Amino acid sequence: EVQLVESGGGLVQPGGSLRLSCAASGFTFSSYWMSWVRQAPGKGLEWVANINQPGSEKYYVDSVKGRFTISRDNAKNSLHLEMNSLRAEDTAVYYCARGYGGNPLPYYWGQGTRVSVSS
Amino acid sequence: EIVLTQSPDFQSVTPKEKVTITCRASQSIGTSLHWYQQKADQSPKLLIKYASQSISGVPSRFSGGGSGTDFTLTIDTLEAEDVASYYCHQSDSFPYTFGQGTKLGIK
Repeated sequence: EVQLVESGGGLVQPGGSLRLSCAASGFTFSSYWMSWVRQAPGKGLEWVANINQPGSEKYYVDSVKGRFTISRDNAKNSLHLEMNSLRAEDTAVYYCARGYGGNPLPYYWGQGTRVSVSS
Repeated sequence: EIVLTQSPDFQSVTPKEKVTITCRASQSIGTSLHWYQQKADQSPKLLIKYASQSISGVPSRFSGGGSGTDFTLTIDTLEAEDVASYYCHQSDSFPYTFGQGTKLGIK
């Protein structure tokens, strides 16, 4: 059974940093694109970033470029999102998602981890 | 950035009704358009990929169509469990984007 379990969320002050992690199991992690998608309270979905199988290609939404870094550890079946210079508008539930076949399209999703940026 | 605009934002529906949600892209994206369902307090679930391709395990009452800039998600014979928010999503070019969502409520 495919499982994606996010962790690392919490309350942080504006300008602070957090590192989100996603532990994957039930599939060959190194064979799939992985993504982060977020959802602000009461709002819709926003694609944040994704990374290809070896980690050589990374793409970001403009609003997080230069502040967030997506990475993966294929040996440990884990995905990460390093978030720096956090802003109030980064407050959201962050979902980790696995691609569909060899495609970046988010298919399996975790339950999300909540990030709140507030003073 | 490709902007996806869904309509309607909200629809009040009754069981057994046929429901159609539309998604318009700001530029042509071929068939790189996908649909998700999100129920309250749950993670999104992929319903349709590449405009019209079905997903294993998704009920056959869900179907998709369209290409270029105009797409539809149709729910034939709506069931009470289909009350949810629905999002279109494009993977034609980065940054990937989602529509603003369509929320279905029971009348």
